[in-house]
Amino acid sequence: DQQVKQNSPSLSVQEGRISILNCDYTNSMFDYFLWYKKYPAEGPTFLISISSIKDKNEDGRFTVFLNKSAKHLSLHIVPSQPGDSAVYFCAARVYNFNKFYFGSGTKLNVKP
Amino acid sequence: DVKVTQSSRYLVKRTGEKVFLECVQDMDHENMFWYRQDPGLGLRLIYFSYDVKMKEKGDIPEGYSVSREKKERFSLILESASTNQTSMYLCASSFTGEAFFGQGTRLTVV
Repeated sequence: DQQVKQNSPSLSVQEGRISILNCDYTNSMFDYFLWYKKYPAEGPTFLISISSIKDKNEDGRFTVFLNKSAKHLSLHIVPSQPGDSAVYFCAARVYNFNKFYFGSGTKLNVKP
Repeated sequence: DVKVTQSSRYLVKRTGEKVFLECVQDMDHENMFWYRQDPGLGLRLIYFSYDVKMKEKGDIPEGYSVSREKKERFSLILESASTNQTSMYLCASSFTGEAFFGQGTRLTVV
């Protein structure tokens, strides 16, 4: 049973608008969450993370929000750019344990 | 910058062959991982290692084994390749924070 779920396989957004990617998790022991970006035929690249003691973390155009009561996190990209078109994976880890659990990914297409 | 290097970008192997996928990291990370990526299934953990000679099964270890004789190197072994092992294989390493990934190996078993 998947402990990290991304229920939207794809998302299409106009350049300059906001992209919102969503992720849900089931394991309440997760306390560190990450977003990765992946282009075809390349390895995932780390984007941004958040620990469970926070509810928001920003890095430039990227903001991650964490709602622990709902076991939900989201990644906001503002403004979206065509170069952001990629597959985005959310991931979670129990602190001090070594396993990362990944969602199934959301393919973002930013249209010029 | 952390560098995780996988030995091959593309491999084509025959059914029944023994296949070795090699991964090297240059940041002295304790933890190393092997994942496979398949459409609609995300990244699934095959094996991971938290120290030299230490390994633990992930979610889909069947048909695979691993070797970690040196801290910087983590090898994935397909004992007898089968067509359902055609996939993108991703190696990663981490210390206490995020995992860093290699460029991936696209393996095709024919």
